[in-house]
Amino acid sequence: NAGVTQTPKFQVLKTGQSMTLQCAQDMNHNSMYWYRQDPGMGLRLIYYSASEGTTDKGEVPNGYNVSRLNKREFSLRLESAAPSQTSVYFCAVGRGGVTEAFFGQGTRLTVV
Amino acid sequence: GQQLNQSPQSMFIQEGEDVSMNCTSSSIFNTWLWYKQDPGEGPVLLIALYKAGELTSNGRLTAQFGITRKDSFLNISASIPSDVGIYFCAGLLMDSNYQLIWGAGTKLIIKP
Repeated sequence: NAGVTQTPKFQVLKTGQSMTLQCAQDMNHNSMYWYRQDPGMGLRLIYYSASEGTTDKGEVPNGYNVSRLNKREFSLRLESAAPSQTSVYFCAVGRGGVTEAFFGQGTRLTVV
Repeated sequence: GQQLNQSPQSMFIQEGEDVSMNCTSSSIFNTWLWYKQDPGEGPVLLIALYKAGELTSNGRLTAQFGITRKDSFLNISASIPSDVGIYFCAGLLMDSNYQLIWGAGTKLIIKP
């Protein structure tokens, strides 16, 4: 989706390393979300931001932190990566609530 | 946590066949969404449903919001090769504004 850009697209980390996943949108939507997707499972919400300046925990927030830098950008940080955090991470944006969210292309993270 | 049961897990079909998949839950939802995910991409919204009993079409796709508010169905008529992918249902619980609950996906494969 051209409106939601995630960087990087791929990343390999060693256990204990830290990194920040970036998400930027040009859709001028208020709400932004971080999900993870594991094989054979649906998406699980990590954190979300209903509007600039607010963030809230989702279903699986442990091991992650987020920053809503401004209306356009929402970053996800892994302070000390663990193999259990190997996953595909998706950023999504929505107009108001979560309905009709638009997704980025994903970041494929491997922690070894 | 809350769960959506999506079935079938995968389907092998002949081109031209009709396809049906569904999601059920023990919880009540006020919104149902159906997404499709192609390999290496984020999910893309196909159909959104907001009222119990609602039947909505998008081309060859038709989805229904179950009367009990606990289930939803997606039908694809006259399947074509580009229908291949993983289809996800997602529901928004009655008491939630931001946390979608996702099914595990139905993988559609067209027999050569």
